[in-house]
Amino acid sequence: QKEVEQNSGPLSVPEGAIASLNCTYSDRVSQSFFWYRQYSGKSPELIMSIYSNGDKEDGRFTAQLNKASQYVSLLIRDSQPSDSATYLCAVRTGNNRLAFGKGNQVVVIP
Amino acid sequence: DTEVTQTPKHLVMGMTNKKSLKCEQHMGHRAMYWYKQKAKKPPELMFVYSYEKLSINESVPSRFSPECPNSSLLNLHLHALQPEDSALYLCASSQITGTDPGGYTFGSGTRLTVV
Repeated sequence: QKEVEQNSGPLSVPEGAIASLNCTYSDRVSQSFFWYRQYSGKSPELIMSIYSNGDKEDGRFTAQLNKASQYVSLLIRDSQPSDSATYLCAVRTGNNRLAFGKGNQVVVIP
Repeated sequence: DTEVTQTPKHLVMGMTNKKSLKCEQHMGHRAMYWYKQKAKKPPELMFVYSYEKLSINESVPSRFSPECPNSSLLNLHLHALQPEDSALYLCASSQITGTDPGGYTFGSGTRLTVV
């Protein structure tokens, strides 16, 4: 079982719609969860961190964490063309390791 | 200063060359990392330094040699690389888990091409 799994395939959303991304993780003792945005040819940029069960909102982004289900999600409201990027789910495991999912490409269609 | 600075941004090297990648941060982070990223793949962890000591080596070939001279600097020495080592090399830093973990801050990366 992979440490961090993201559902595959690019996600196309119309401008102004909500983009929804999901992620599951295998290590039940993980405490720190992150979403990174990566534009093509650039380095990952941290956009959300979440440590407690429930929702965390920051601008147009909402992260949701359910530790019982080992599930993390990211919602992007009012999607803009500038949101077109790959979104990486990351989980901080033991020994200070940050494990990444394979990423989801989001394409916002004007 | 909330940045991780990596140099050079681009590097082309032959298979017999020796080169070094450099990384610097002044955020007071005591953990630093090297990741390798191939196109359309997530970053793969190579090395972790905690308090300037190597704590994780993810079975990386010895042609990659990390060095942490002090708490702000991290180097990756390259020798006798193969064309398949061509990738984006990312440096990152973070607080140590247990204090104020937070996320990792990534540098802009070094795009390495081995010819």
